[in-house]
Amino acid sequence: GQNIDQPTEMTATEGAIVQINCTYQTSGFNGLFWYQQHAGEAPTFLSYNVLDGLEEKGRFSSFLSRSKGYSYLLLKELQMKDSASYLCAVLDSNYQLIWGAGTKLIIKP
Amino acid sequence: ETGVTQTPRHLVMGMTNKKSLKCEQHLGHNAMYWYKQSAKKPLELMFVYSLEERVENNSVPSRFSPECPNSSHLFLHLHTLQPEDSALYLCASSQDPGQGGSPLHFGNGTRLTVT
Repeated sequence: GQNIDQPTEMTATEGAIVQINCTYQTSGFNGLFWYQQHAGEAPTFLSYNVLDGLEEKGRFSSFLSRSKGYSYLLLKELQMKDSASYLCAVLDSNYQLIWGAGTKLIIKP
Repeated sequence: ETGVTQTPRHLVMGMTNKKSLKCEQHLGHNAMYWYKQSAKKPLELMFVYSLEERVENNSVPSRFSPECPNSSHLFLHLHTLQPEDSALYLCASSQDPGQGGSPLHFGNGTRLTVT
């Protein structure tokens, strides 16, 4: 079967750096997405990786290793507003999105 | 108005009621989706419409009935629901469901409670 694993919950301190990991086992691969979802709000698109390596976008970076079936989302200079759930999703060979259950990130002052 | 708009934001209904969820997208996208989001579970894809034709129906119970009258509007008709159907129902749109890299744009969802 197809599977996406990510930690259920993480806690970090304001101003620090946090890395949220995502491992996947899917039928084929056509890219990996990260979304952010604040409580009671819509998920919003953060990043898309289809080639190996690191993509940087301001305070957020996303890394992909296709050979290891692994990605991470790196958040720097954490702010209280970064408290949210982070969803990892993989596009399989049929262009179906396979979703992880999400990682709830708690930022403490 | 831009983005994806869902109404209502909250809905409480009894098991014998009939109600409908509405979604509207102002992004000019070709595809629209219904997802179910339950606590601590991955998003569950329910229905996909591409160019107003249903292309996906993931074994969803018949008590959920979608309707896509045009590329900007999507409805989810609900009848005789069960308490386990209580969840957040998210609508989304994208430019092309068969193309990699085309992200989903989500509405804020309808929080449904079945009593």
